[in-house]
Amino acid sequence: QSVLTQPPLVSAAPGQKVTISCSGSSSNIGNNYVSWYQQLPGTAPKLLIFDNNKRPSEIPDRLSGSKSGTSATLGITGLQTGDEADYYCGTWDDSLSAVVFGGGTKVTVL
Amino acid sequence: EVQLLESGGGLVQPGGSLRLSCAASRFTFNSYGMTWVRQAPEKGLEWVSSISGSGDETYYAASVKGRFTISRDNSNNTLYLQMNSLRAEDTAVYFCACLPGISASGAPPDFWGQGTLVTVSS
Repeated sequence: QSVLTQPPLVSAAPGQKVTISCSGSSSNIGNNYVSWYQQLPGTAPKLLIFDNNKRPSEIPDRLSGSKSGTSATLGITGLQTGDEADYYCGTWDDSLSAVVFGGGTKVTVL
Repeated sequence: EVQLLESGGGLVQPGGSLRLSCAASRFTFNSYGMTWVRQAPEKGLEWVSSISGSGDETYYAASVKGRFTISRDNSNNTLYLQMNSLRAEDTAVYFCACLPGISASGAPPDFWGQGTLVTVSS
């Protein structure tokens, strides 16, 4: 049981938009920055979003992050087949003194 | 670009020990906290442990506390994870990753290594 809650699966057609939610509490998302990661099959996680909504320079602006209260959201527009992957949110939890992750969301392109 | 290269994984019997290493390069190693995250087969990410840039601040997941020890050698830009009393449920790919600041707490990781597989089985 993950501390952060994500939907297990989201799907959309090529070119469409998907959003992935990440729900937590006041001790984690509510009080700390959220990061998002993409994991392609058989590879290491890759940072997509840090500090809730900032992108590393190599990440296209089709990807965006936001946070409101104790929830965060990752958006992907102009969906491509190369976006098929698992996506994880992560943050620090003050009560647990631990990094916590969501259970992961698989994105499929229909 | 940051480079992190894990090594030391392998097959070990239940109750055995293993030490993982993570060689870091292309960044100022002692200025960043470091962390270990694992992923069991077909499962999600599970944080294991974090250490500050100086090595004087450490945190552990409840599932490994008392069995695993994180450490670092800043003179050799290397992160370690000593794993004792290994159990079948410790079977996973272990990733090392760097944190965004010098502290061991307060933020999730940025850049990740490629991982090393640990299999605990008789």
